[in-house]
Order: sequence, then structure tokens, then C-alpha cells
Amino acid sequence: DAKTTQPPSMDCAEGRAANLPCNHSTISGNEYVYWYRQIHSQGPQYIIHGLKNNETNEMASLIITEDRKSSTLILPHATLRDTAVYYCIVRPRNTDKLIFGTGTRLQVFP
Amino acid sequence: DAGITQSPRHKVTETGTPVTLRCHQTENHRYMYWYRQDPGHGLRLIHYSYGVKDTDKGEVSDGYSVSRSKTEDFLLTLESATSSQTSVYFCAITETVNTEAFFGQGTRLTVV
Repeated sequence: DAKTTQPPSMDCAEGRAANLPCNHSTISGNEYVYWYRQIHSQGPQYIIHGLKNNETNEMASLIITEDRKSSTLILPHATLRDTAVYYCIVRPRNTDKLIFGTGTRLQVFP
Repeated sequence: DAGITQSPRHKVTETGTPVTLRCHQTENHRYMYWYRQDPGHGLRLIHYSYGVKDTDKGEVSDGYSVSRSKTEDFLLTLESATSSQTSVYFCAITETVNTEAFFGQGTRLTVV
């Protein structure tokens, strides 16, 4: 299974864009990139996912490099409520397992 | 919010006693997962189910068993609880392998 590498922590000023990187250099052609976040001690929440094209929804944008070896989750205007742990997950198509890493702890400050 | 409920939400139990945690869903999703979360370890997959009576091991399955006798319920059992199983347990569901997961609110288990 492809593995992901994320920085353990990042800071971002409120109102600014938060750019969270993820390295998945061993990704293969049929593996999706998923992003989740976990606020405090709540259950993780799905944010966005993609295969090779950039994706955008009401929460965030996902930019995947052309070689697919890395991606960036963008929160365009971070708020204090975006303070959370963000998980980047590479999930092969048609696999039953959903494996998490340790994620990036994003702290948004006023 | 997806209809997924974990019970109990909090439990304190003694070492050596059996404990069963329940995950109940109203979404009719095929896949269900149990995770534990400890400081510094993120979420670790314990067991998962890909259908009624179909289950498999995850990353940290030792000391745990699961059962899924109907679509809506996935039970996690600690046959003989140990202090190392003190953790927060999360249940998750997905409709297919290529769709997003929805998580329950978690169960905080303390083994004393």
C-alpha cells in the first residue's frame, strides 16, 4: 500500500490560506488521495478526494502534482474553527481497508 | 450527519472483564470499521467488515474480536480487557470502497 508523509504541525493566520502538503511518492495509478480532518476529540470528517485532477468543493481545494507524487490541501480562508488534525490518505481502488497516518496538526491563530 | 451511533460513549471497566462496544448505522452501508486512537498514534485500524458475517483484521487486531450479524450493527469485543486497551474507539462506515467514510462520535474506554 502507498504511504503518505505529512509535516507533524503547521500554523496559519486567520483569514489566510492554509496549504497543507502531503507526499505520496509511491502512489500507483489506481490510488486515490483522500483528505480528512479531526477537530479536537470528534470523529474524523471527510474533506475531499481526487485521483489526478485538481478538485474543489465548498470546504477546500485539492491540488495533485502531475506526477501524482504529492498533493496540497488548500483551505482558502482559514478560520479558528479550522484548527484540527488533517489526514492525507492514499487509498487503492477496490481495497477494503482504510488506513490513517498521524496527520498534520494545523493551528489557526487570530 | 450520517446515521452512525456508538454505544456506550464512555465506559470504565476492570482488567480481565469482557467489554463489547456497539456501532449502529442507519445508512445501509456495506463497509464498517473499528479504530482505536491513542496519543501520538493517530487512528489505527482494528478490524473491519465488508458485509454481513464478513470481517477481517486490521493493523492492531490482537485482543479484539468483532461480529456483524446484520448490516446495521458491528460489535467490537474485548474478551479480557487490559490496561493497554484504554483508548478512544471510533467506528466508521463507507458505502463502497471508493466513497468517503463517515465516523461515529467515539467511545472512551478506560481499563483500570
